[in-house]
Amino acid sequence: GQQVMQIPQYQHVQEGEDFTTYCNSSTTLSNIQWYKQRPGGHPVFLIQLVKSGEVKKQKRLTFQFGEAKKNSSLHITATQTTDVGTYFCAGKGGNTDKLIFGTGTRLQVFP
Amino acid sequence: EAQVTQNPRYLITVTGKKLTVTCSQNMNHEYMSWYRQDPGLGLRQIYYSMNVEVTDKGDVPEGYKVSRKEKRNFPLILESPSPNQTSLYFCASSPGRGYYEQYFGPGTRLTVT
Repeated sequence: GQQVMQIPQYQHVQEGEDFTTYCNSSTTLSNIQWYKQRPGGHPVFLIQLVKSGEVKKQKRLTFQFGEAKKNSSLHITATQTTDVGTYFCAGKGGNTDKLIFGTGTRLQVFP
Repeated sequence: EAQVTQNPRYLITVTGKKLTVTCSQNMNHEYMSWYRQDPGLGLRQIYYSMNVEVTDKGDVPEGYKVSRKEKRNFPLILESPSPNQTSLYFCASSPGRGYYEQYFGPGTRLTVT
């Protein structure tokens, strides 16, 4: 079945450093969504990408969907302590309406 | 305010004692689902519902039941909880499946001893 893996599982950075998490699917995806979960909180939707090679930005966050639509990345420039949390990707396979969540990347930012 | 609510938020119970976790949304969403979150495993779908009286199994349905008698409510039932069901549970809703943003509830932390 479809699997969505994320790397790294954990990342510790100094405030001001950049951060990137990668999402890889075993099958071609129709779309990719990204969510952020603050410590003790619930996942909150950040963005959705649909087109091959699509790049979207939200302030310091840059989201990219791979040309083959099997991978995606989230890059944070100059991290801040408010970026702390777990970032999940979620993708829908082409032959199903099901959204599969990745394993998540937990980001810790040291001031 | 548009939201998904879950109750209880925290629950400690014993093996075999039936329990229900309630979930309610006020956004008139058709699609609702339950996930469990475990360290290193991400979010795994337990059950989902496309509409009233329509439910289906997700990836990890064993030991769980659901019902969807009203559009706004989607309770999760554990008939005979076991320690391996100790987890953080999230209910989510969305206008549809797949291409739609999921709105998550605050979570229910369940411990089964």
